[in-house]
Amino acid sequence: AQSVTQPDIHITVSEGASLELRCNYSYGATPYLFWYVQSPGQGLQLLLKYFSGDTLVQGIKGFEAEFKRSQSSFNLRKPSVHWSDAAEYFCAVGAEGYQKVTFGTGTKLQVIP
Amino acid sequence: NAGVMQNPRHLVRRRGQEARLRCSPMKGHSHVYWYRQLPEEGLKFMVYLQKENIIDESGMPKERFSAEFPKEGPSILRIQQVVRGDSAAYFCASSPSGYSYNEQFFGPGTRLTVL
Repeated sequence: AQSVTQPDIHITVSEGASLELRCNYSYGATPYLFWYVQSPGQGLQLLLKYFSGDTLVQGIKGFEAEFKRSQSSFNLRKPSVHWSDAAEYFCAVGAEGYQKVTFGTGTKLQVIP
Repeated sequence: NAGVMQNPRHLVRRRGQEARLRCSPMKGHSHVYWYRQLPEEGLKFMVYLQKENIIDESGMPKERFSAEFPKEGPSILRIQQVVRGDSAAYFCASSPSGYSYNEQFFGPGTRLTVL
């Protein structure tokens, strides 16, 4: 079965600074990888996904993520954080075939002025 | 195109009562997933349904919990004889097919509080 680890529970960055959120997965074959964002009191919204092809994936809101098979990682990055990016971010992994997706425990991002 | 709808948004029940959570998927989506979110624990998969069928209920407690997705109408997650530990946010997601590479579209969640 697949699993995903987000080692950082909370991260605080200054507005305008760069951001990297870590995600490590465990799966025997090529995984399907996702990053979702959840604003307070809301459901989740997809930021980006990877399932084949170019290992650098561009998403919405200026986010990108890079799939590194050798490190079993799919870290999320943004070059310059905005105050509106404050939210909780979830990495998720899906197995080939039908859609049972496993979510990480999330990373809460705080943005300070 | 309306998104995934969940109701109620907030639900308060006393111990021993029943909770019924409803989810209407996006138009054209026939695959529904239920997740439970506890503070600091992320989303835990509960059940995956296709119209009139339960495909995977491996994440759902064996007792007191049940789910359905009838041919007509919303998907229902039912919790009988609720206990305080059932207090959580319950999210529904839908997708147009069951393939893992498809995005799941999430509803706003139902926040269940058990007194």
